[in-house]
Amino acid sequence: TAGITQAPTSQILAAGRSMTLRCTQDMRHNAMYWYRQDLGLGLRLIHYSNTAGTTGKGEVPDGYSVSRANTDDFPLTLASAVPSQTSVYFCASSDQELAGGLTDTQYFGPGTRLTVL
Amino acid sequence: GQNIDQPTEMTATEGAIVQINCTYQTSGFNGLFWYQQHAGEAPTFLSYNVLDGLEEKGRFSSFLSRSKGYSYLLLKELQMKDSASYLCAVREGNYQLIWGAGTKLIIKP
Repeated sequence: TAGITQAPTSQILAAGRSMTLRCTQDMRHNAMYWYRQDLGLGLRLIHYSNTAGTTGKGEVPDGYSVSRANTDDFPLTLASAVPSQTSVYFCASSDQELAGGLTDTQYFGPGTRLTVL
Repeated sequence: GQNIDQPTEMTATEGAIVQINCTYQTSGFNGLFWYQQHAGEAPTFLSYNVLDGLEEKGRFSSFLSRSKGYSYLLLKELQMKDSASYLCAVREGNYQLIWGAGTKLIIKP
């Protein structure tokens, strides 16, 4: 089982350009999340989706958009990149409806390292 | 407001025991998670506490006191591979997590 995959692994992007970071999970989890991780800061939630067809804004949504057309895919789009969006981006998923015991543990993809120049 | 505090960095010796503390102030509480993150890799789940007390899992244990807004992660018989960052995260009430900045643990031989 692959779990969660992200693409690309890393990218250098010119400011003003657009880009889509891809995320795919094969665990049939209903919830998915996008985080950014910057040195000295905790993971910050950008957008989330509790189920296919719905999305919500996290702590730092400005400059980013997401869609959730199906259970498996949750792409993150930067419409017009700026240098402050240089970061490591992690996609995660969780099964919010897992009955009993440990619920809603988030599992992370390997990350995308994005540099905006 | 929401706040999760962890020490920035700790150093310990191989074979020893280390305790990493986490204090939190959140508007609600519905569980606390500890994750391990090796440099350049994704966070991986270690433990979950929702009730007061100690949860033991092999060399790792996690403790929670909800009245004090306090948790710790205890690592025993330290190995070099335990060198990593340890992230504390609190679930306030909905499904989203609030994350601390992480504690970088350095293990010396």
